[in-house]
Amino acid sequence: GEDVEQSLFLSVREGDSSVINCTYTDSSSTYLYWYKQEPGAGLQLLTYIFSNMDMKQDQRLTVLLNKKDKHLSLRIADTQTGDSAIYFCAETEGGSTLGRLYFGRGTQLTVWP
Amino acid sequence: DTAVSQTPKYLVTQMGNDKSIKCEQNLGHDTMYWYKQDSKKFLKIMFSYNNKELIINETVPNRFSPKSPDKAHLNLHINSLELGDSAVYFCASSQDTTGPTDTQYFGPGTRLTVL
Repeated sequence: GEDVEQSLFLSVREGDSSVINCTYTDSSSTYLYWYKQEPGAGLQLLTYIFSNMDMKQDQRLTVLLNKKDKHLSLRIADTQTGDSAIYFCAETEGGSTLGRLYFGRGTQLTVWP
Repeated sequence: DTAVSQTPKYLVTQMGNDKSIKCEQNLGHDTMYWYKQDSKKFLKIMFSYNNKELIINETVPNRFSPKSPDKAHLNLHINSLELGDSAVYFCASSQDTTGPTDTQYFGPGTRLTVL
């Protein structure tokens, strides 16, 4: 469960959609998460998806999960400059009840006006 | 009111010193965590306590010693600081440890710089 991969940078224009991708390795991961980190701040949970779901939508956020390919994505519709931050994908350790989360290295999203 | 707070926010110190970082949560949670985020933003868990008992202890030098005086507090003491300890340390808490309803809430971080 320790190999969670993300691309490091993404730039989009305000109003466009952003898609941030993540791959993970633990096929028994139960939950997958997206966290947002604004400059100088801690991590804020954006959304999560249970491993038996393919998609979850929450206002401007859409999470897609391809369990076969162990691929998770976060789509932000109508991206705003306030969405500029680092986005972390995280997975739980499969079968664990210890709360151990494994994070990717984060994707720096820059939104241009 | 801040849910998870850490002090200090910034800590600059010399190599070889001993320092502590404090964390408090007012959410009534049973589980608290310490994470380390390096200069490349890689975030890795260090410790976790559930009801004042250690439940996760990753491969961390024994110079790092967490202490939980009660379930609302989890402090991190670091002995003999080294240059490689420079990082941002995040505290987090969750109600329990078993699923997404046990969301981990993060503190604002403590930026430690070892000179």
